[in-house]
Amino acid sequence: SQQGEEDPQALSIQEGENATMNCSYKTSINNLQWYRQNSGRGLVHLILIRSNEREKHSGRLRVTLDTSKKSSSLLITASRAADTASYFCATDRGTGNQFYFGTGTSLTVIP
Amino acid sequence: GAVVSQHPSWVICKSGTSVKIECRSLDFQATTMFWYRQFPKQSLMLMATSNEGSKATYEQGVEKDKFLINHASLTLSTLTVTSAHPEDSSFYICSVNRGRNTGELFFGEGSRLTVL
Repeated sequence: SQQGEEDPQALSIQEGENATMNCSYKTSINNLQWYRQNSGRGLVHLILIRSNEREKHSGRLRVTLDTSKKSSSLLITASRAADTASYFCATDRGTGNQFYFGTGTSLTVIP
Repeated sequence: GAVVSQHPSWVICKSGTSVKIECRSLDFQATTMFWYRQFPKQSLMLMATSNEGSKATYEQGVEKDKFLINHASLTLSTLTVTSAHPEDSSFYICSVNRGRNTGELFFGEGSRLTVL
């Protein structure tokens, strides 16, 4: 990818369980974002965290950022079958303009 | 939020032909739009930044003459895949950023190109 690695590449969990995805990136950033993509569709923005923030919440989503380790994690709590999708992190490499995406995590939530 | 429309959603063409994909920002005047390419089960690769009224900025390794970008108005950017070959078959997605440092990208639904 142009930005870095995400792990795991694929994750399968039971409905109601929590899902954690990790993202590592290569360069300094202004902000990091997480996106969701349903198969064959465009991406939907989930959450943005700025480089001076360490944690952010939005509904069932919790994002952490560790700029010293150049890593971020996305936690989805109480997962639902509708959460099944691919999740990508994206960073701006400090430009604030162009965004580069990680390799993505494919999440399957089993009803 | 900004709504981004792409057309066509699907296109099949013969090798050697050119294909134009349109990206429209429906409710936001976008001086900048971004074109991404995505292979099956892979990540999005930024191809180029489309700048209204000026030349596009291409990422390293992307052929300018192969992927022509035109951003003639604040609401429309077009990507033309010239002399398409089967290896150009891919999912092409455009996006709009409200502005520097405001973060959130709004994506079109993508255009799937199949070159026979």
